Amino acid sequence: GENVEQHPSTLSVQEGDSAVIKCTYSDSASNYFPWYKQELGKRPQLIIDIRSNVGEKKDQRIAVTLNKTAKHFSLHITETQPEDSAVYFCAASKNNQGGKLIFGQGTELSVKP
Amino acid sequence: GAVVSQHPSRVICKSGTSVKIECRSLDFQATTMFWYRQFPKQSLMLMATSNEGSKATYEQGVEKDKFLINHASLTLSTLTVTSAHPEDSSFYICSASGAGGSLINEQFFGPGTRLTVL
Repeated sequence: GENVEQHPSTLSVQEGDSAVIKCTYSDSASNYFPWYKQELGKRPQLIIDIRSNVGEKKDQRIAVTLNKTAKHFSLHITETQPEDSAVYFCAASKNNQGGKLIFGQGTELSVKP
Repeated sequence: GAVVSQHPSRVICKSGTSVKIECRSLDFQATTMFWYRQFPKQSLMLMATSNEGSKATYEQGVEKDKFLINHASLTLSTLTVTSAHPEDSSFYICSASGAGGSLINEQFFGPGTRLTVL
């Protein structure tokens, strides 16, 4: 079945620096790649997503890139702020599975003031 | 965006009892609902996928007789943890999809239920 690998597991940056989190997926049929931010004890919140017909998407300080050939996608956060500190999860799914999401292991991001 | 609620938010029960968790889509009809379990400092693990009016599809390793899922309507799915034991203590999160239009494929998550089995 589909497998999603996420790196790094922890990431510490200084406020204002950029943060990059990378994921690889195994199933070439996957076509939807969301990123979630989860604060302790709360629900995952969608922060950005990308579909397989697009190579890059940006929303203010957040961007996602997708390389279908290499089967990897990355989250880029620029000008990080302390409130960006949280656990971030990537996920992958394909339409013919009714949107079933397979999650990466998560990255705990810490932004130091 | 679409809103999903979950009830209860926290539950503490004795070992051997059963616990029911409800997941509701409040402003859209959810054609599919998903149940996840999340242990501390770990990722979300999909337990099962349920479609309204049909039997749930369980992931490998998830006991369907222990985790009973009912999706009786397009706005409600329930997860019942039967004969709960301490190792079932976890954060259970549901999600729903089917909002349609530009939101196709997107899953909307409930706030989660913290289950503690004593």
